[in-house]
Amino acid sequence: GAVVSQHPSRVICKSGTSVKIECRSLDFQATTMFWYRQFPKQSLMLMATSNEGSKATYEQGVEKDKFLINHASLTLSTLTVTSAHPEDSSFYICSARTGLPTEAFFGQGTRLTVV
Amino acid sequence: AQSVTQLDSQVPVFEEAPVELRCNYSSSVSVYLFWYVQYPNQGLQLLLKYLSGSTLVKGINGFEAEFNKSQTSFHLRKPSVHISDTAEYFCAVSAGKANNDMRFGAGTRLTVKP
Repeated sequence: GAVVSQHPSRVICKSGTSVKIECRSLDFQATTMFWYRQFPKQSLMLMATSNEGSKATYEQGVEKDKFLINHASLTLSTLTVTSAHPEDSSFYICSARTGLPTEAFFGQGTRLTVV
Repeated sequence: AQSVTQLDSQVPVFEEAPVELRCNYSSSVSVYLFWYVQYPNQGLQLLLKYLSGSTLVKGINGFEAEFNKSQTSFHLRKPSVHISDTAEYFCAVSAGKANNDMRFGAGTRLTVKP
């Protein structure tokens, strides 16, 4: 199946700094990518939908100025957590879909810890 | 909008016993249904999917699921589980358009005991 690579897998940052997470589709073009957040022992919550070349669509309650999403090419989307705080600590997962209504392909996830 | 309900948050079972993980969905349009497995600190791996056609879907690792439109269910089954099946399982639904977002259930923690 298609491969989605997410980097970094783990990151620890100081409160107040910004962190960038990359999501790449390695062998297909992803016109749409999705960013999810997962709290411990909970499900994946959709944060935003990222379309190549246009602004991301954020879910209700997600601060777009805090979670900046850029989808500059058909194979790369980035999520930047700005001015991170300890409550932003979480597991972030990206997924990408092709133009067909098949399953989404998921990255390995990024464990963000803000200290 | 579509939604998914996983009826059991935890399912403990002994090794080699059968297991069923329940999933019900809600949608006003046609849907695609998926089951994913997640191991600790990892992303999601697709077990199986229903897009159309036969309502009995076979997936990897011996899992299968049956799409029941009248009951709006998509339960996951395995006739004989292994210790290595211990993981978190997520049911997901996507509406009938390409590139629609995928909505997940709360997850079911399957614990296989020796």
